[in-house]
Amino acid sequence: ILNVEQSPQSLHVQEGDSTNFTCSFPSSNFYALHWYRWETAKSPEALFVMTLNGDEKKKGRISATLNTKEGYSYLYIKGSQPEDSATYLCAQHNTNAGKSTFGDGTTLTVKP
Amino acid sequence: DTAVSQTPKYLVTQMGNDKSIKCEQNLGHDTMYWYKQDSKKFLKIMFSYNNKELIINETVPNRFSPKSPDKAHLNLHINSLELGDSAVYFCASSQGGHRQPQHFGDGTRLSIL
Repeated sequence: ILNVEQSPQSLHVQEGDSTNFTCSFPSSNFYALHWYRWETAKSPEALFVMTLNGDEKKKGRISATLNTKEGYSYLYIKGSQPEDSATYLCAQHNTNAGKSTFGDGTTLTVKP
Repeated sequence: DTAVSQTPKYLVTQMGNDKSIKCEQNLGHDTMYWYKQDSKKFLKIMFSYNNKELIINETVPNRFSPKSPDKAHLNLHINSLELGDSAVYFCASSQGGHRQPQHFGDGTRLSIL
């Protein structure tokens, strides 16, 4: 993996479904992985900052895991709600300078 | 209170003009960024300043010049605007380093006629 890649590109689920998506990144020179939630017509908002292999973070129904050795992170949403509809971005830091490389995002649509 | 504010929100102008987008943050952060969201919706880093010093300068045409008068402001000046400059430009700030999330402004939609 040379770039930060997210899959799937888009996802449509029913309200109440649980879902997950993937962020893959180069495993060399890893410093941190950030997850952001980006609602339409708003700006991206930070969800999680993950730095250690095996990290697990949770905020309400949303959680994330990190595997720095194989270069991936999963974001899970339990019991999706329509208000979870957004684009979820991951960004990898491979230096300490704050420079991040963003993935293309996974756009989640939750149907009532 | 808006944490990261950009002005203007919309900018429509003619090709060849020079324009500026302003960004201010009231979070006390020492690092600020400019991103371009291209037609495919990707966020690409353009510049980053830490305490008024340029620390990241990606491959961006030199028609784009960032200016940071103080650590709370990072303005983006664009000379000789071209059609391909049409995009949404996002400003962001963070406390710096890889452990701190970035806080984004609402974006400035630039349209070149």
